[in-house]
Amino acid sequence: AQSVTQPDIHITVSEGASLELRCNYSYGATPYLFWYVQSPGQGLQLLLKYFSGDTLVQGIKGFEAEFKRSQSSFNLRKPSVHWSDAAEYFCAVGALTGGSYIPTFGRGTSLIVHP
Amino acid sequence: ETGVTQSPTHLIKTRGQQVTLRCSSQSGHNTVSWYQQALGQGPQFIFQYYREEENGRGNFPPRFSGLQFPNYSSELNVNALELDDSALYLCASSSPGLAGVWGTDTQYFGPGTRLTVL
Repeated sequence: AQSVTQPDIHITVSEGASLELRCNYSYGATPYLFWYVQSPGQGLQLLLKYFSGDTLVQGIKGFEAEFKRSQSSFNLRKPSVHWSDAAEYFCAVGALTGGSYIPTFGRGTSLIVHP
Repeated sequence: ETGVTQSPTHLIKTRGQQVTLRCSSQSGHNTVSWYQQALGQGPQFIFQYYREEENGRGNFPPRFSGLQFPNYSSELNVNALELDDSALYLCASSSPGLAGVWGTDTQYFGPGTRLTVL
């Protein structure tokens, strides 16, 4: 069965600093990978996704992620964090099940941004 | 904000009761997925509906059931509520993406319904 590990429960960065959120997945076939963000009281918003092609994926809000098959990782990065980036971030792997890619989410990483 | 709406926003029920949660999908989307997000956890896939038929199900018991209507809005019903059913319930709408394969297109999430079971 597929699984996702986000090893960092909380990450604290200063505004303007760079950010990297870690994600490791386990899946026997080619994964479909996602990063979502959830602000307090809000639903999830897709930041970016990867299925094939260039392993460096650009997303919204200045985020990017790099797929590394050898490390089973899909880490999310941003060169300069803004206070509005404070939120919960979820990595997910989509496993093909009966014709649909069903996502399995990690537990999330809470990003705290200091001024 | 997405065009996905959910009602009610909050709900308090007691153990053993039944609950119905509602979701209106974004215009043009014919697929609705439901997720359960317990406190401090990531969302867990419950099931997906496409054109009024269940089209995929996660590891949830049969007391979790759903409906999709001709206008693609959806309901999630939970019978015999248990304390562990307390969670944020999210719905997401989408359309089949690459070659008609669900899950490859972007899912648009609603703000969720917070269910508390006492």
